[in-house]
Amino acid sequence: GAVVSQHPSRVICKSGTSVKIECRSLDFQATTMFWYRQFPKQSLMLMATSNEGSKATYEQGVEKDKFLINHASLTLSTLTVTSAHPEDSSFYICSASSGELAGFTGELFFGEGSRLTVL
Amino acid sequence: AQKVTQAQTEISVVEKEDVTLDCVYETRDTTYYLFWYKQPPSGELVFLIRRNSFDEQNEISGRYSWNFQKSTSSFNFTITASQVVDSAVYFCALRGNAGKSTFGDGTTLTVKP
Repeated sequence: GAVVSQHPSRVICKSGTSVKIECRSLDFQATTMFWYRQFPKQSLMLMATSNEGSKATYEQGVEKDKFLINHASLTLSTLTVTSAHPEDSSFYICSASSGELAGFTGELFFGEGSRLTVL
Repeated sequence: AQKVTQAQTEISVVEKEDVTLDCVYETRDTTYYLFWYKQPPSGELVFLIRRNSFDEQNEISGRYSWNFQKSTSSFNFTITASQVVDSAVYFCALRGNAGKSTFGDGTTLTVKP
């Protein structure tokens, strides 16, 4: 099946620094990628939707200047947490969709997740 | 707006018992997809099943089975003869026309030996 890879899987950083998380579709072209955030023992909350070559669409309450999303190619989307603070500590998961694949299956393919800890 | 409700926050069973995880959804879309995912302690989401809104056939895969009832907007998941390795958080999700997926709050299943 389609594979989505996320990197890094774990990152620890100091407060005030910026952290970049990569999401790659390994064997298909991802026209759309979604970024989710998951707090401990909670559900996945959609943060933003990014389409290749255009600006990301952020969900209500998500600071676009805080969480920068770049979907520069059909196989890569990045999430940058700028000036991270301890409250940004969370599990971030990306998912990717191919228009062609979605037409057949409607399926989203998820990365392994990235656990961010801000000290 | 779409919504997914998993009323059971936590379920604890003894190994070999059958267990059903409930999922009720709301959507205005006529075409949509329903999913179940398993999230073990390591955090990655493991895809279990996908159903589109036009396919109400129930499905069985080994010890897993799913009951899709469009009339009651439910998509329940049953594990037969549960095993300790089934312990995880299970999420029900709905993907509508806009492509966004909405997840339920998850059900934490603990299977005791």
